[in-house]
Amino acid sequence: GNSVTQMEGPVTLSEEAFLTINCTYTATGYPSLFWYVQYPGEGLQLLLKATKADDKGSNKGFEATYRKETTSFHLEKGSVQVSDSAVYFCALSDSSAQKLVFGQGTRLTINP
Amino acid sequence: KAGVTQTPRYLIKTRGQQVTLSCSPISGHRSVSWYQQTPGQGLQFLFEYFSETQRNKGNFPGRFSGRQFSNSRSEMNVSTLELGDSALYLCASSLVFGSGNTIYFGEGSWLTVV
Repeated sequence: GNSVTQMEGPVTLSEEAFLTINCTYTATGYPSLFWYVQYPGEGLQLLLKATKADDKGSNKGFEATYRKETTSFHLEKGSVQVSDSAVYFCALSDSSAQKLVFGQGTRLTINP
Repeated sequence: KAGVTQTPRYLIKTRGQQVTLSCSPISGHRSVSWYQQTPGQGLQFLFEYFSETQRNKGNFPGRFSGRQFSNSRSEMNVSTLELGDSALYLCASSLVFGSGNTIYFGEGSWLTVV
């Protein structure tokens, strides 16, 4: 079945550091890929998405490129802020359904 | 524009009881889905609805059920509650149904079973 694997956390960085959170997936066909963020005590917010190979999703300084050859969708940000501290989830929906399959989440803490 | 609204936000139930959670999607959205979030299992898909029809169901026992009304509102019900049902239940909505659609989540209903 479909699955998503994220790099294990927690991840702790200093403000203005470069961020990469790795995400790889297993799926048949051509899934759509998503990054969601969850702040403490809140639901999930869509951060960015990509629906076909080589698409780049971007939002709020975050970027991720859909790489079909490596089945990856790594999240990057050039300079993180304290306000980026949250849990980040990589997810996919396969071509036959809308339901999301999530990775286990990566807790990110940014220190000032 | 109001987001996805879930009620109640917090509730405590006793083992063996049942619970009903409600979800109002974003205005105009016709697809609703539900997810369970726990520290051990992470985020797991429960079911999704479109035009009052269940389109997919996750791997949960029959104690978990849901429905969607003609105004796109949705409810999920858990009967004979077990301690392991303690979780954050998230409702999500999207404009239409299909892969790649942007799915918007509510803030969730925190269920504690004692």
